[in-house]
Amino acid sequence: QITLKESGPTLVKPTQTLTLTCTFSGFSLSDSGVGVGWIRQPPGKALEWLALIFWNDDKRYSLSLETRLSITKDTSKNQVVLIITNLDPVDTATYYCAHRAGHSGAFDSWGQGTTVIVSS
Amino acid sequence: SSELTQDPAVSVALGQTVRITCQGDSLRTYYASWYQQKPGQAPVLVLYGQNNRPSGIPDRFSGSSSGNTASLTITGAQAEDEADYYCNSRDTSDNHWVFGGGTKLTVL
Repeated sequence: QITLKESGPTLVKPTQTLTLTCTFSGFSLSDSGVGVGWIRQPPGKALEWLALIFWNDDKRYSLSLETRLSITKDTSKNQVVLIITNLDPVDTATYYCAHRAGHSGAFDSWGQGTTVIVSS
Repeated sequence: SSELTQDPAVSVALGQTVRITCQGDSLRTYYASWYQQKPGQAPVLVLYGQNNRPSGIPDRFSGSSSGNTASLTITGAQAEDEADYYCNSRDTSDNHWVFGGGTKLTVL
């Protein structure tokens, strides 16, 4: 059974840097084809894909945010970390991490999400 | 880059069939995956690939694709199907992923 859980601060100030951690179990991020992605959802709005890291450390970022994003993995700890710099109130959202299955390419398991509010 | 376009809202009578569509250039190359999201919950994958359902997803959910349009069809919609539905695929650059704007399904 695959499980993922996001963790990080709930409240951050504008211009600060946000560090979010996804801790997972039930799969290995060293298995071929596997990835972990980050997706966010502002209140009342649509899902937005942010970043994805693959088993081979290949990294992909949203074009609109790539200068502010950094994704890394720690295979031994079963964790993926997303860093977002220079926060703005528009970054207020629920942030999800999700398992990307190698065979399907779909995000087949999601964490419960963590809410981040950017406010002074 | 690429965008995926969905109708903002669709309604269906209980027990009837409804189709939710997703349009985008990338869908000429890549299959869409579909996610159901109920209020206050994380999205759940309901369909992927040509027409594949994860374990536990009812067979009333099916998918198809033609040209630049992917479709999610619910045959015999149930009250519990009322939710937001999002499509997702790679974009045309092959380097990024994108979600559609979501469709709010109301079951009358």
